[in-house]
Amino acid sequence: QSALTQPASVSGSPGQSITISCTGTSTDVGSYNFVSWHQQHPGKAPKLVIFEVNKRPSGVSNRFSGSKSGNTASLTISGLQAEDEADYFCSSFAHIGAPVVFGGGTKLTVL
Amino acid sequence: QVQLVQSGPEVKKPGASVKVSCKASGYTFSSYGISWVRQVPGQGLEWMGWISAYNGNADYAQSLQGRVTMTTDTSTNMAFMELRSLRSDDTAVYYCARDRYPRSQTVLGFDYWGQGTLVNVSS
Repeated sequence: QSALTQPASVSGSPGQSITISCTGTSTDVGSYNFVSWHQQHPGKAPKLVIFEVNKRPSGVSNRFSGSKSGNTASLTISGLQAEDEADYFCSSFAHIGAPVVFGGGTKLTVL
Repeated sequence: QVQLVQSGPEVKKPGASVKVSCKASGYTFSSYGISWVRQVPGQGLEWMGWISAYNGNADYAQSLQGRVTMTTDTSTNMAFMELRSLRSDDTAVYYCARDRYPRSQTVLGFDYWGQGTLVNVSS
């Protein structure tokens, strides 16, 4: 069982927007802005798409955005494209137990 | 560009040890820490531990204390993870991941990952 809770799957049509939630507690997501999101295509290495809640690494499309409210962080992908179909997982710094905790991952299907 | 290239898949018997390598390129290796993260098929990610290539400090997950050792070789820009007394539930894909921030004293996030190494523990 993962420390952070994500929906198992989400879907959307090309051009639409989707949001993936990542719910933690006051010991991780709720207390720190070190929340990241990673994209992983099957058989590939994960790729960072959002760090520090809402910052995009160089080269990542501005269709990816992040936010946080209380103990829940969110990843929004706007203008869905077929290439966005992948698994997405969140991570957060935590001050109890392991210093980083992960979500269970969300499979995004572009219809 | 930053790359982390891991060693190939392994098949081990219960009780054996495995050592996975992670070769870094495209950045100053000694300035960043490396974490090891594993993923059991169909399950979530588990942080296993972290080592600073900057000063050699290491921090391991409590659940693996005594069975795991992480090391770095700054002369070859490589990180290693050795897991001993393997059990069937150690079967997983093992990833190395670079710290997001240089010279960090703890794990605040990752920015680059290796491609993963499948370790299959079976009798």
